Amino acid sequence: SQQGEEDPQALSIQEGENATMNCSYKTSINNLQWYRQNSGRGLVHLILIRSNEREKHSGRLRVTLDTSKKSSSLLITASRAADTASYFCATDEDNAGNMLTFGGGTRLMVKP
Amino acid sequence: GAGVSQSPSNKVTEKGKDVELRCDPISGHTALYWYRQSLGQGLEFLIYFQGNSAPDKSGLPSDRFSAERTGGSVSTLTIQRTQQEDSAVYLCASSFISYEQYFGPGTRLTVT
Repeated sequence: SQQGEEDPQALSIQEGENATMNCSYKTSINNLQWYRQNSGRGLVHLILIRSNEREKHSGRLRVTLDTSKKSSSLLITASRAADTASYFCATDEDNAGNMLTFGGGTRLMVKP
Repeated sequence: GAGVSQSPSNKVTEKGKDVELRCDPISGHTALYWYRQSLGQGLEFLIYFQGNSAPDKSGLPSDRFSAERTGGSVSTLTIQRTQQEDSAVYLCASSFISYEQYFGPGTRLTVT
């Protein structure tokens, strides 16, 4: 079963705009990760944020984590058409042996 | 270096036949994971191998599914007596100690 729930399920924006995706989870975690998937193929790891971190940046990506609310957000700034993909959050739960539990994903479309 | 590879990339099989999917993890990675992604859905954990420990099979959906990891490296996921609901993309991932899982491109299985 999937722990994470992502919101929105689909998002369509214009190139240059910012895209924000949210993820909620239910149990305590070691870390939370965001992945991108193009065209139903392999996942690409974007960023990992540990449970004792609140914010992390990587290029145009900004991830926040609020463990009190059991939620995370992924912000993509100055979006590009090439950012069009599905984005998944995945949680590494305590005592789960590094097994990741994935949310349903957000399908992002960036229009040129 | 080489990433995670999977073969075949696509497999079409008739209902009732057995299939084997292969995963070659990144050299040196001690952990190997299998996930399944059905059309339009998030990822579903299937099985996890860590070193020489007994695998975590808690995600396998039925006893028709099994997996082996030989020599701590290559893994084979076997589905016996395939059903149409087995149609999905099967993703393999490997990791070392950083919690970051590296995913292969997946095998798209279609059961007709």
